[in-house]
Amino acid sequence: GENVEQHPSTLSVQEGDSAVIKCTYSDSASNYFPWYKQELGKRPQLIIDIRSNVGEKKDQRIAVTLNKTAKHFSLHITETQPEDSAVYFCAAVNAGKSTFGDGTTLTVKP
Amino acid sequence: NAGVTQTPKFRVLKTGQSMTLLCAQDMNHEYMYWYRQDPGMGLRLIHYSVGEGTTAKGEVPDGYNVSRLKKQNFLLGLESAAPSQTSVYFCASSYSGLPPGELFFGEGSRLTVL
Repeated sequence: GENVEQHPSTLSVQEGDSAVIKCTYSDSASNYFPWYKQELGKRPQLIIDIRSNVGEKKDQRIAVTLNKTAKHFSLHITETQPEDSAVYFCAAVNAGKSTFGDGTTLTVKP
Repeated sequence: NAGVTQTPKFRVLKTGQSMTLLCAQDMNHEYMYWYRQDPGMGLRLIHYSVGEGTTAKGEVPDGYNVSRLKKQNFLLGLESAAPSQTSVYFCASSYSGLPPGELFFGEGSRLTVL
């Protein structure tokens, strides 16, 4: 089955700096790669996604890149703000099944 | 629209007791899922369903059973609870079309097994 590895597990940045979280996947059949943000005590919610026929997607301060050949994708957050502090999960989806990374706890220090 | 609703939100069980978690969605989604979330281990798929009357095993199905008798409901059962099943359980649903879509999660159910 699919295996998703996510790094780093924790990330601490100063407000205004950029943050990058990286994921690798194993199954070349996976064709959809969402990123979810989970605030403390809340449910995960989608923040951005990318499909296998696209290399990069941007939405304001967040962007995702996908390298299908290398089987890795990354989340980039620019101009970080304290409200960006949360746990971020990447996922690889194949035939409707999502396999998640173990999560990255991002802390943005004011 | 309520989205995805889980009940109960909190439950404490003794080892060996049984219980059922109910998930309901009002978005007419075909796919529904049960995940468990443990510290440092992300979200692991327990069971899922691709339509009414269907169920399939995920990564960690042992000790759990599920049923999807109605399209809008997906039930997760624990027949004989064990301390290892202490976790936060999330139900999710998604659109089944192509391309695939995002998962919509419920608020979570925190289960403690003593």
